[in-house]
Amino acid sequence: NAGVMQNPRHLVRRRGQEARLRCSPMKGHSHVYWYRQLPEEGLKFMVYLQKENIIDESGMPKERFSAEFPKEGPSILRIQQVVRGDSAAYFCASSPWGHTNTGELFFGEGSRLTVL
Amino acid sequence: KNQVEQSPQSLIILEGKNCTLQCNYTVSPFSNLRWYKQDTGRGPVSLTIMTFSENTKSNGRYTATLDADTKQSSLHITASQLSDSASYICVVSDNTGTASKLTFGTGTRLQVTL
Repeated sequence: NAGVMQNPRHLVRRRGQEARLRCSPMKGHSHVYWYRQLPEEGLKFMVYLQKENIIDESGMPKERFSAEFPKEGPSILRIQQVVRGDSAAYFCASSPWGHTNTGELFFGEGSRLTVL
Repeated sequence: KNQVEQSPQSLIILEGKNCTLQCNYTVSPFSNLRWYKQDTGRGPVSLTIMTFSENTKSNGRYTATLDADTKQSSLHITASQLSDSASYICVVSDNTGTASKLTFGTGTRLQVTL
């Protein structure tokens, strides 16, 4: 059973370009979460999605960032007009349940975005 | 504001020695506390999950303790191995039960040397 798959693992973009990060959850998981990790900082929640629905985007910056989880295909985190401050590791996690009081969250290996 | 603080920030120990990592939190209302191991350049991997009623939980050489009254947790690593070199992250969930409300600590970076 494959784990959470993220690609690309590393992405380099120049300021003003777009970055697209993809996440395929574990088989059977319909809940996807995106987190951002800045150097020397803890993971910060960005957005929680189920198939075709954004459930909670309270951690997403108001501009330039968007996320989707279509009926078919991976979840995508899109960053438009990237700036140097967007350089970070972006982690995707999935779970089979929406509520995770004691449920397990499975993380991908992350996508490391570097903005030149 | 919910916060999770971990100490020490970093730690170097000799292979075979034991160590204890600390986690203090102010998340309220509390639901559960998790410890994750994150190897450099990799994603976090769960070690333990403890709810309010659990005081201790083990996973091989890893033993986590929880004192919900003092809002403290510790992760004890026994007979350390080189492969234990990683960041150890304490994560606390409030009782809304959604992953969007998890509060992550900044981690303790452990290095095990020969």
